[in-house]
Amino acid sequence: GNSVTQMEGPVTLSEEAFLTINCTYTATGYPSLFWYVQYPGEGLQLLLKATKADDKGSNKGFEATYRKETTSFHLEKGSVQVSDSAVYFCALYGQNFVFGPGTRLSVLP
Amino acid sequence: GAVVSQHPSWVICKSGTSVKIECRSLDFQATTMFWYRQFPKQSLMLMATSNEGSKATYEQGVEKDKFLINHASLTLSTLTVTSAHPEDSSFYICSARVTHRGQETQYFGPGTRLLVL
Repeated sequence: GNSVTQMEGPVTLSEEAFLTINCTYTATGYPSLFWYVQYPGEGLQLLLKATKADDKGSNKGFEATYRKETTSFHLEKGSVQVSDSAVYFCALYGQNFVFGPGTRLSVLP
Repeated sequence: GAVVSQHPSWVICKSGTSVKIECRSLDFQATTMFWYRQFPKQSLMLMATSNEGSKATYEQGVEKDKFLINHASLTLSTLTVTSAHPEDSSFYICSARVTHRGQETQYFGPGTRLLVL
């Protein structure tokens, strides 16, 4: 079946550091790929998505590119802020959502 | 954008009681809603798919008699945790699916935190 693997962290960075959270997937067909963010005590918020190969999703300085050849959808941000501290979930959507385990990011001032 | 609400946002109950959680799509109609469960520091696990006007479809390992789902209208699905026990304590999140111009999108609710004492 479909599955999503992502680095579990926790990841701790200083403010303005570069962020990469790796995500790879296994799927039949051509799923859509997503990154969701969950702030403490809250539900999921869609961060960005890509619906086909080579698409780049971007939002709030975050980017991820749908790489079919490497089955990856790595999340990047050039300069993180303290307010980016949260848990980030990579997910794919074929018939249903399949989520990765989540990566906790802590950004220190 | 589309909004999905959940009520209550948190609930504490005694063991053996039943708890109902509501999921509403506020500005769109959703024939299909989903219920997820999230344990602390873990990912979301799909529990069931709720279809308006028909029975819910449960994922393997989810007890349908314990987690009753009712999707009575196009904007409301309810999850009732019957005879709750401490191991049912978790964060329950719903989502609603909408199709717009041939594209499917899911919107997630803010979640309901359940603590069973």
